[in-house]
Amino acid sequence: QVQLVESGGGVVQPGRSLRLSCAAAGFTFSTYGIHWVRQAPGKGLEWVAVIYYDGSNKYYADSVKGRFTISRDNSKSTLYLQMNSLRVEDTAVYYCARVRGQLLSGAFDYWGQGTLVTVSS
Amino acid sequence: QSALTQPPSASGSPGQSVTISCTGTSSDVGYYNYVSWFQQHPGKAPKLMIYEVTKRPSGVPDRFSGSKSGNTASLTVSGLQAEDEADYYCSSYAGSYIVIFGGGTKLTVL
Repeated sequence: QVQLVESGGGVVQPGRSLRLSCAAAGFTFSTYGIHWVRQAPGKGLEWVAVIYYDGSNKYYADSVKGRFTISRDNSKSTLYLQMNSLRVEDTAVYYCARVRGQLLSGAFDYWGQGTLVTVSS
Repeated sequence: QSALTQPPSASGSPGQSVTISCTGTSSDVGYYNYVSWFQQHPGKAPKLMIYEVTKRPSGVPDRFSGSKSGNTASLTVSGLQAEDEADYYCSSYAGSYIVIFGGGTKLTVL
């Protein structure tokens, strides 16, 4: 069955960096676009970034553009999110999500369980 | 891009129907047929309930249906059941390679 498992979250100081991973299994990872979506504690969902199935194109929310980098290693069926210059407002549970159909349709059909990132001094 | 607008709460009794709205603009909901709806129970990951405005993934009960009129999309839950109590979020493609979400609606089954 389809599985997405995030890791790499933790507590980090403002201005520091963190890299999240999302390990995929149960489907042909190299044929799907994958997104990162986050949810601040007690708040709603916020789209973060997306990467094409082959890594050729990447798009970001304005709130993270220039600070976060999405990447993937199809040989390892793994997605990454490199987060630099972290801010308190980046505190959230970060989910990776597979999209069905058109890359930016928002039809996220499988989600990981999420990994919590806390930015605090 | 601003978030889509959803009512903070909605409620209904078991067996009743409830509709949750999701209002955007002519640049997102009103322009693209890429509206999705997600159900999220406390402490769990979101679950896709509706995509491309009206389509239901396999395994989602047909009690859940989606529609759109102008800049507003709607999710209707018919025959409410206790397990439908959850937070519901809409999303839409907003152009310029951006996806936006609504603020979420807490559905209470009375």
